[in-house]
Amino acid sequence: DVKVTQSSRYLVKRTGEKVFLECVQDMDHENMFWYRQDPGLGLRLIYFSYDVKMKEKGDIPEGYSVSREKKERFSLILESASTNQTSMYLCASSRGTSGSNEQFFGPGTRLTVL
Amino acid sequence: GENVEQHPSTLSVQEGDSAVIKCTYSDSASNYFPWYKQELGKRPQLIIDIRSNVGEKKDQRIAVTLNKTAKHFSLHITETQPEDSAVYFCAANPLYGQNFVFGPGTRLSVLP
Repeated sequence: DVKVTQSSRYLVKRTGEKVFLECVQDMDHENMFWYRQDPGLGLRLIYFSYDVKMKEKGDIPEGYSVSREKKERFSLILESASTNQTSMYLCASSRGTSGSNEQFFGPGTRLTVL
Repeated sequence: GENVEQHPSTLSVQEGDSAVIKCTYSDSASNYFPWYKQELGKRPQLIIDIRSNVGEKKDQRIAVTLNKTAKHFSLHITETQPEDSAVYFCAANPLYGQNFVFGPGTRLSVLP
């Protein structure tokens, strides 16, 4: 059974702080994704990664960066948090080109930036 | 790039009735279309998916239909139950890509 975990369920930060959101998957998946979820806007892709040390911009990368130093871990970084980054952040993983496209999601991190 | 629209944004049905949610996509090269269900406070989970070489797929009370010519696909839930109440997201997966483009979601309420 695929397990995707995120480091925090709730996080409160102040404007200008550097914020790290961590995601870990235990099924040796090649692909990992970071989304933000806002009411009425669905799931919007921030960044994704097909392999270690590889990253691709999604639809809304501005204000974010990512790091993938190990296959199982994908980090989302807010260099200088702003109030408009208050949102629910969801991490996901999928097997890769050799397998199913299905994405498995983590429980989400609700980030509030004051 | 791909764009996915989803209607309606909210849907209320009586228990036992059917529910239909429709999505359209813009990129004719997209070849995989999953549907995710997200219950309140929980993570999205895949409930059914369809590939572009198939017109319809069924799994018990849920079914998905795909019209490639018109570039739309629909989720059908029959004999709805209160536990079907959730937000449903459709998505499209571009050819050769591993990322999804999601629709904005439909909040389904099944009234007892």
